[in-house]
Amino acid sequence: KAGVTQTPRYLIKTRGQQVTLSCSPISGHRSVSWYQQTPGQGLQFLFEYFSETQRNKGNFPGRFSGRQFSNSRSEMNVSTLELGDSALYLCASSLGGTQTIGYTFGSGTRLTVV
Amino acid sequence: QKEVEQDPGPLSVPEGAIVSLNCTYSNSAFQYFMWYRQYSRKGPELLMYTYSSGNKEDGRFTAQVDKSSKYISLFIRDSQPSDSATYLCAMSRDTDKLIFGTGTRLQVFP
Repeated sequence: KAGVTQTPRYLIKTRGQQVTLSCSPISGHRSVSWYQQTPGQGLQFLFEYFSETQRNKGNFPGRFSGRQFSNSRSEMNVSTLELGDSALYLCASSLGGTQTIGYTFGSGTRLTVV
Repeated sequence: QKEVEQDPGPLSVPEGAIVSLNCTYSNSAFQYFMWYRQYSRKGPELLMYTYSSGNKEDGRFTAQVDKSSKYISLFIRDSQPSDSATYLCAMSRDTDKLIFGTGTRLQVFP
């Protein structure tokens, strides 16, 4: 069974640019959550989508946005990139019924902002 | 102060040792407690989860939750070099977002 697929794996962008990251959940999973992981802060919750609706949101500025498509695939977008946005962005999928148990994470997209 | 505190380590132990990893938390509303393992250049994978207080055992791994002390632990018996990874605790109130610790890096040397 295929796992959670995140593309691209690595990305280098310049300050001020925008970026879109993609996540394909496990087949049958309807919930997709996004986390930012940095050495100092650890994993911080960005947002969660379930059946194309944002169900939960973390404390990140409006430059961070996301969406989910009818096939449960999700994208997150970061506009006006800042150096501090450099991080590993992780996507996690679950069935959605018991949201927080049974998360499966992808391998992440490592974003470097220069 | 962070809601979940975890010693970053690194923790270096010889093969066969018993490893104890711990987290403390401040939010008494947390009910679900999890441990994830993350290898280098990979996403976290769920090792164990516990609902409310108590112990749970799975092979060489034992998870303990003490809600009165707001303290959770993961014990690894007979540690192996393949256990070398970063261990993350995580917790949540209910069907809510997971709050993670910053992770403890563990190295098991032969």
